[in-house]
Amino acid sequence: DADVTQTPRNRITKTGKRIMLECSQTKGHDRMYWYRQDPGLGLRLIYYSFDVKDINKGEISDGYSVSRQAQAKFSLSLESAIPNQTALYFCATSDSQLGVPTQYFGPGTRLTVL
Amino acid sequence: QKEVEQNSGPLSVPEGAIASLNCTYSDRVSQSFFWYRQYSGKSPELIMSIYSNGDKEDGRFTAQLNKASQYVSLLIRDSQPSDSATYLCAVRVDSNYQLIWGAGTKLIIKP
Repeated sequence: DADVTQTPRNRITKTGKRIMLECSQTKGHDRMYWYRQDPGLGLRLIYYSFDVKDINKGEISDGYSVSRQAQAKFSLSLESAIPNQTALYFCATSDSQLGVPTQYFGPGTRLTVL
Repeated sequence: QKEVEQNSGPLSVPEGAIASLNCTYSDRVSQSFFWYRQYSGKSPELIMSIYSNGDKEDGRFTAQLNKASQYVSLLIRDSQPSDSATYLCAVRVDSNYQLIWGAGTKLIIKP
């Protein structure tokens, strides 16, 4: 089984709809991240969480919110989706106890907002 | 603004040759450097990390770091068609272990 899973893998929705993307991990890592990837722009950080009670905005948090329900679960919500939120979304984890910031990625969610 | 720059490519290399991928970064205090490989439509996967100046080798891959020049590179020896992918450079820039990502270089290995 994959260590980092994301659901759904693909989603098509309409402008104005509320969307939730979910991420679960079995790696036991304390840190979790949400990124979006657009062609030619690389990975951009939306939100990150160092533990259940510590959530931080990344460089492009406007229009998004997150919830860290447990150490293993980190959800990303789009309250009112808009077409420029069409992108590939990745969840990632890292372990602060290892002393290095290596991040491990889920398979991604391809979101299309019409 | 802390930045990580990569040539977007595509970089085309004949099979069996050495592929050389480059990355420059703007923050002089950067401490950790990572190369990830990403196949089209897939998630990034870690290839190598490097923390000290010099070379680090792992199989066909060699990472080279020059902190004075703010430059990190990845060499792939004996390139194979399966190496065709986008290679992402990531740099740790602060004590919170956050990574700043380059936009990636698309590598094409021609048989």
